[in-house]
Amino acid sequence: DARVTQTPRHKVTEMGQEVTMRCQPILGHNTVFWYRQTMMQGLELLAYFRNRAPLDDSGMPKDRFSAEMPDATLATLKIQPSEPRDSAVYFCASGLTAYTDTQYFGPGTRLTVL
Amino acid sequence: AQTVTQSQPEMSVQEAETVTLSCTYDTSENNYYLFWYKQPPSRQMILVIRQEAYKQQNATENRFSVNFQKAAKSFSLKISDSQLGDTAMYFCAFMKPGGGSNYKLTFGKGTLLTVNP
Repeated sequence: DARVTQTPRHKVTEMGQEVTMRCQPILGHNTVFWYRQTMMQGLELLAYFRNRAPLDDSGMPKDRFSAEMPDATLATLKIQPSEPRDSAVYFCASGLTAYTDTQYFGPGTRLTVL
Repeated sequence: AQTVTQSQPEMSVQEAETVTLSCTYDTSENNYYLFWYKQPPSRQMILVIRQEAYKQQNATENRFSVNFQKAAKSFSLKISDSQLGDTAMYFCAFMKPGGGSNYKLTFGKGTLLTVNP
């Protein structure tokens, strides 16, 4: 059954290290979203791609975060350098342009920056 | 900007009973989508139900139904015959269809529902 996959599921790293999170959208979906969930801020959108092109990354700290879609089956979110305040659960979601009323979420990556 | 408010941080219900979770939102738009997502302890975000604002009829999915009051900007979720597996955080979310950043979901802060045996 089709689902969004994310790797790794858990990541513990030290401040200053680079972190890369990966997402495989549902086959055929051409919209990909990155969300971050924290206790304080709740769920917030970081970036959004359609047909691999970034359409909105206004929620993402530009100095340390970057999001890309090297191909239609892979989306990446990188943090360099990481900071303790980046500790959160990062979700990827995908959808179909024609049916953009529904976004399907992956299981998330729990990131802890020490 | 749209806002979504869930005024009940926590709720509990006995197994087999019915519970209603509240959600209000603020928007000047006429056409939009509303969602309820469930997040169990596994952290997976699972779509429970969705409602298109132009539809008068309230959406229903098995034991889950909504009470959509467009004029009041209210979108409550009713869970009937509650089951232990319904224990989760429930998020209400809003989306305005269109291009660019309109596709983003705006989430409420969530309601933690506990179903007791």
